[in-house]
Amino acid sequence: DTGVSQDPRHKITKRGQNVTFRCDPISEHNRLYWYRQTLGQGPEFLTYFQNEAQLEKSRLLSDRFSAERPKGSFSTLEIQRTEQGDSAMYLCASSLGASGGNQPQHFGDGTRLSIL
Amino acid sequence: SQQGEEDPQALSIQEGENATMNCSYKTSINNLQWYRQNSGRGLVHLILIRSNEREKHSGRLRVTLDTSKKSSSLLITASRAADTASYFCATDDSGNTGKLIFGQGTTLQVKP
Repeated sequence: DTGVSQDPRHKITKRGQNVTFRCDPISEHNRLYWYRQTLGQGPEFLTYFQNEAQLEKSRLLSDRFSAERPKGSFSTLEIQRTEQGDSAMYLCASSLGASGGNQPQHFGDGTRLSIL
Repeated sequence: SQQGEEDPQALSIQEGENATMNCSYKTSINNLQWYRQNSGRGLVHLILIRSNEREKHSGRLRVTLDTSKKSSSLLITASRAADTASYFCATDDSGNTGKLIFGQGTTLQVKP
């Protein structure tokens, strides 16, 4: 399967701990997006990369959150000092960059984070 | 923040019936997309309609777009139990980032 893969699928941790998620996009896709989804809501944009450059970050992304995409391939999202409100599904998506953004995004199955 | 609202929030129909979901948005767009999400899974792209298009078909799916009303609808014809899922509309931010702004979704249940 050459789709978007995310690891781990589930993460349970205690409040205050740090967590890191990984996303492997479709290999030829130059754009990579992170979204957060809480129960009963649609995904909310967090940040995106074009190749290795992080070009936009949402105000939702507090200073406890950091994302990287070294070498423009896989990406990691780290949350430091987790809080109860961080409990959510974290979704990664990739696409081909194009003028006007008219490209569908391919999503992974997400990492579900539960903070105890 | 969410782009807009979807209506209805939940829909329950019998297999074979048609399902219509509506989406409203707030800002100018380049395109509008519809995605499906099965429980506990990621989103799957269904169809993309550009701002200069009014209607688009893909198999049993029909999407309309009215930019003057800032609204879109998704029609699924001859529904099947396998269509049971949440459906989301998403708009881009009219820039070149490609980032998507999602609605709250419609949960569709198709009873066999």
